[in-house]
Amino acid sequence: EVQLVESGGGLVKPGGSLRLSCAASGFTFSNAWMAWVRHTPGKGLEWVGRIMSKIDGETTDYAAPVKGRFSISRDDSKNTLYLQMNSLKTEDTAVYYCTTDHYHWGQGTLVTVSS
Amino acid sequence: EIVLTQTPLSLSVTLGQPASISCKSSQGLVHTNGKTHLSWLQQRPGQPPRLLIFEISNRFSGVPDRFSGSGAGTDFTLKISRVEAEDVGVYYCVEVTQFPYALGQGTKLEIK
Repeated sequence: EVQLVESGGGLVKPGGSLRLSCAASGFTFSNAWMAWVRHTPGKGLEWVGRIMSKIDGETTDYAAPVKGRFSISRDDSKNTLYLQMNSLKTEDTAVYYCTTDHYHWGQGTLVTVSS
Repeated sequence: EIVLTQTPLSLSVTLGQPASISCKSSQGLVHTNGKTHLSWLQQRPGQPPRLLIFEISNRFSGVPDRFSGSGAGTDFTLKISRVEAEDVGVYYCVEVTQFPYALGQGTKLEIK
């Protein structure tokens, strides 16, 4: 059974940083393209970024609102996906989900950016 | 940039009755591999998204057969043959051809 478990969310001040993790199991993580998606009640779902598998170059792509501030990485030896979020803004407040490129989804972790 | 437009944005349906959601793309979605990577997601209240349909009409693992997808080119449809209480939530069409993937605005389904 595919399992994705996010962690690392919490309360952070504007301008601060946070790193989210997503522990994966039940599939060959190293072969999977992975992504982060966020959800807010007002805007709905929004893609954050995606990372390809190592064999496909581990290329990363980001949505415009987070480009230059967020960074996605992966550790295939630990079956873990990461989202490094810097220069956080109040509008980054959301539940963040990791996903196997939209097929399987984690339960999400809440990030609140507030002073 | 691909834009997906869903209609309606909200839907109130009697239990046991059918429901239909349309998704129109601003451009064709046929990938160079010949497939059309148009999917449908369901997000129940307080739950993560869940993949229902991929590549227009393929039901994902565990999805009841009352859900079906159809369409081609730029026009796609999600149908629920008989709405059940557990179907309440927001439905999104999404294209997964080129990142950033386009998402429809979402259609909120409620029970009448």
